[in-house]
Amino acid sequence: DTAVSQTPKYLVTQMGNDKSIKCEQNLGHDTMYWYKQDSKKFLKIMFSYNNKELIINETVPNRFSPKSPDKAHLNLHINSLELGDSAVYFCASSLWTGLNYGYTFGSGTRLTVV
Amino acid sequence: RKEVEQDPGPFNVPEGATVAFNCTYSNSASQSFFWYRQDCRKEPKLLMSVYSSGNEDGRFTAQLNRASQYISLLIRDSKLSDSATYLCVVNGRSNFGNEKLTFGTGTRLTIIP
Repeated sequence: DTAVSQTPKYLVTQMGNDKSIKCEQNLGHDTMYWYKQDSKKFLKIMFSYNNKELIINETVPNRFSPKSPDKAHLNLHINSLELGDSAVYFCASSLWTGLNYGYTFGSGTRLTVV
Repeated sequence: RKEVEQDPGPFNVPEGATVAFNCTYSNSASQSFFWYRQDCRKEPKLLMSVYSSGNEDGRFTAQLNRASQYISLLIRDSKLSDSATYLCVVNGRSNFGNEKLTFGTGTRLTIIP
């Protein structure tokens, strides 16, 4: 009965590869997010979708492409991985903007690029 | 000025003590404020919302000072299980003009037996 689930939990890959991370929520939320937490623990928003529509796209290299097939799923595809992409990627969800109740996070995907 | 600023700590506090953290934010139009807790190698979890009148949840008290644009979190009678990183969260605007929650870099707290 996991609320926000991400797969895989760990991902180790070589530079230049392409990889995807998947996220699903069963909370009935209509908005989902991708956050990146770097080695200094800074948690920064990357993208957000509301009912499959992109509503937030922060300054992120276009090697990162999110995709939301429906409001319960948000995937992240990364092309041509670089060493600097190593981080923990968190998926989150909320009702609309989350201003009233905050966000619920998945357990994270720890990406290591070697 | 950063959107949300926190003292990174670490705060090393004996068990049973009271500890307080502050956080400042730059956007005077912000309306939503939260404290999240993040354990080592885990996801952030909502600890409590912060309301204008101040609010309390057990041993935890959150305060908001709009005039000075800061938020505080007070933990009384600290327990070993309170050891974590505490993230201050404030709403702001994305570059698409939509609302988003911005996280501070966190304050690390260690409770010492």
